[in-house]
Amino acid sequence: DAGITQSPRHKVTETGTPVTLRCHQTENHRYMYWYRQDPGHGLRLIHYSYGVKDTDKGEVSDGYSVSRSKTEDFLLTLESATSSQTSVYFCAIRKEGNQPQHFGDGTRLSIL
Amino acid sequence: EDQVTQSPEALRLQEGESSSLNCSYTVSGLRGLFWYRQDPGKGPEFLFTLYSAGEEKEKERLKATLTKKESFLHITAPKPEDSATYLCAVQAENNDMRFGAGTRLTVKP
Repeated sequence: DAGITQSPRHKVTETGTPVTLRCHQTENHRYMYWYRQDPGHGLRLIHYSYGVKDTDKGEVSDGYSVSRSKTEDFLLTLESATSSQTSVYFCAIRKEGNQPQHFGDGTRLSIL
Repeated sequence: EDQVTQSPEALRLQEGESSSLNCSYTVSGLRGLFWYRQDPGKGPEFLFTLYSAGEEKEKERLKATLTKKESFLHITAPKPEDSATYLCAVQAENNDMRFGAGTRLTVKP
């Protein structure tokens, strides 16, 4: 298994509260990604990182921010959670070159 | 815009009944097509990468093929443990990755 740990695995919170999800890798891969997965949709990219302090927006970045201060950690923050952000969030990592992404086991986030 | 469409959405097979899953795509400059398996409550697990039309990859009961417009995941004599959602993704020349919505496969004993 790729060394990817997501925390927490489950979270229930209220609308308007800030939420931070953590992705930790032990593979020393350069690239890290945050996706959300919703029924009827494929995985949709929120943000990605191509190195420490280097990040960029994905397809569905509104309402989300990220930070990467160390190679091994990639944080996803919802500054003020909304019910539309209820989803399962996946982190992925990738080596240099034309390599596949490898995924963590996800965080199930419910916003009431 | 890059697009990936998987069909069928759901497929139910009897154990031993072979079939194929389809992944149709449009992409600006294909760098790679990826197949993943996803079990409930888990993240996608990488299966195959295909890079060019005509390429084939095999693993146990699974075989993936690629043309210029689509990829097939052939499942030969499936077993109940092959039940999962199978995801297809394409990587464009700008390295953007686009995922399909998946095919949910159920194999009954």
